[in-house]
Amino acid sequence: GIQVEQSPPDLILQEGANSTLRCNFSDSVNNLQWFHQNPWGQLINLFYIPSGTKQNGRLSATTVATERYSLLYISSSQTTDSGVYFCAVSYNQGGKLIFGQGTELSVKP
Amino acid sequence: NAGVTQTPKFQVLKTGQSMTLQCAQDMNHEYMSWYRQDPGMGLRLIHYSVGAGITDQGEVPNGYNVSRSTTEDFPLRLLSAAPSQTSVYFCASSTQRGTPYEQYFGPGTRLTVT
Repeated sequence: GIQVEQSPPDLILQEGANSTLRCNFSDSVNNLQWFHQNPWGQLINLFYIPSGTKQNGRLSATTVATERYSLLYISSSQTTDSGVYFCAVSYNQGGKLIFGQGTELSVKP
Repeated sequence: NAGVTQTPKFQVLKTGQSMTLQCAQDMNHEYMSWYRQDPGMGLRLIHYSVGAGITDQGEVPNGYNVSRSTTEDFPLRLLSAAPSQTSVYFCASSTQRGTPYEQYFGPGTRLTVT
């Protein structure tokens, strides 16, 4: 099956700093999603991005499907950005997302 | 739209007890799934369904049972709870329409088995 690797596993930032999170996957995908799990455990959809680039406020994401990776950019980080960021993928399989291990982000004031 | 809803939010069981975690969606999605999340890990798929009456196993199905009699509901049954099933359980739904296979998650159920 498809393998998903995220890096780095942990990241500590000062408020206002920028960061890049990476997701590598081992096979073709036609669904790639980024999620933020907040400290209360809620999973929040950030991006549906099987290819291309999208931006939403201070967050943006790029997926290069041919090279099997995706990047999540967080600019001008805030303490509310803290939590775990997950990348998840699938290929023609409704209901079957494969998750990476996540990147735990801590933003200090 | 309420999206994906789950009940209960929290549950404590004794070893050997059975219970059903409820999941419902109001988006007319054909796909529904159950995942579990253990500390420090990503989500792992337990069971999924591609439509009413059709279910299949995911990565970690042992000890769990599902059925899907309607499009809206996808309950997860723990037959005889074990401490290893202490986890947070998430339900999700998705569709081939619009953004194909994009999954929407419920708020989760935190289960402790003593």
